[in-house]
Amino acid sequence: EIVLTQSPATLSLSPGERATLSCRASQSVSNYLAWYQQTPGQAPRLLIYDASNRATGIPARFSGSGSGTDFTLTISSLEPEDFAIYYCQQCSNWPGTFGQGTKVEIK
Amino acid sequence: QLQLHESGPRLVKPSETLSLTCTVSGGSISSSSYYWACIRQPPGKGLEWIGSIYYSGSTYYNPSLKSRVTISVDTSKNQFSLKLSSVTAADTAVYYCAIARDYAQGTVDYWGQGTLVTVSS
Repeated sequence: EIVLTQSPATLSLSPGERATLSCRASQSVSNYLAWYQQTPGQAPRLLIYDASNRATGIPARFSGSGSGTDFTLTISSLEPEDFAIYYCQQCSNWPGTFGQGTKVEIK
Repeated sequence: QLQLHESGPRLVKPSETLSLTCTVSGGSISSSSYYWACIRQPPGKGLEWIGSIYYSGSTYYNPSLKSRVTISVDTSKNQFSLKLSSVTAADTAVYYCAIARDYAQGTVDYWGQGTLVTVSS
């Protein structure tokens, strides 16, 4: 099973600041990586697929990069609605696995 | 726009079987583009993929749960179903129906709203 490690566990930032979230895989997943956003009481929402492609309707302030084992989700300028938990997921090998999440909280 | 709706008991006794039915609307469960998935999230914790099924009936189960999981599809009702046997308190979680693109473990394009299932006597 591929293990995904996300860092940091918590990111404390102010609206307007840049957020950089990391996801590291225990073995190469090529570009088969997705990012999701989850707010309290809601199902996750797809943000990024295939490492760098924004899903339909996702604002341009969200961007993804990386390949192999190291991936980054960047939020260029945080909006109030962006404070949430973010998960990465590898789509390379069965079973699909998720990182433990990074919580982006208001500083 | 594909949508998913979960239904099933919210409270299950220890050692019994958890059952969840996922109803698909806005599209056909016989689509060759998608796998139909069950994912869970214990309260305050991360996400765990339980299993996936293709419309043909091919199944993929997480090895950690394989001995207790059955996922089936009913194309006539546009539904798929999860059964998890011999449950314990550790199986208490929000259970999501989901749609994965292209692979059993693919990108999840659509999620149901989730249903909290509590295992307790």
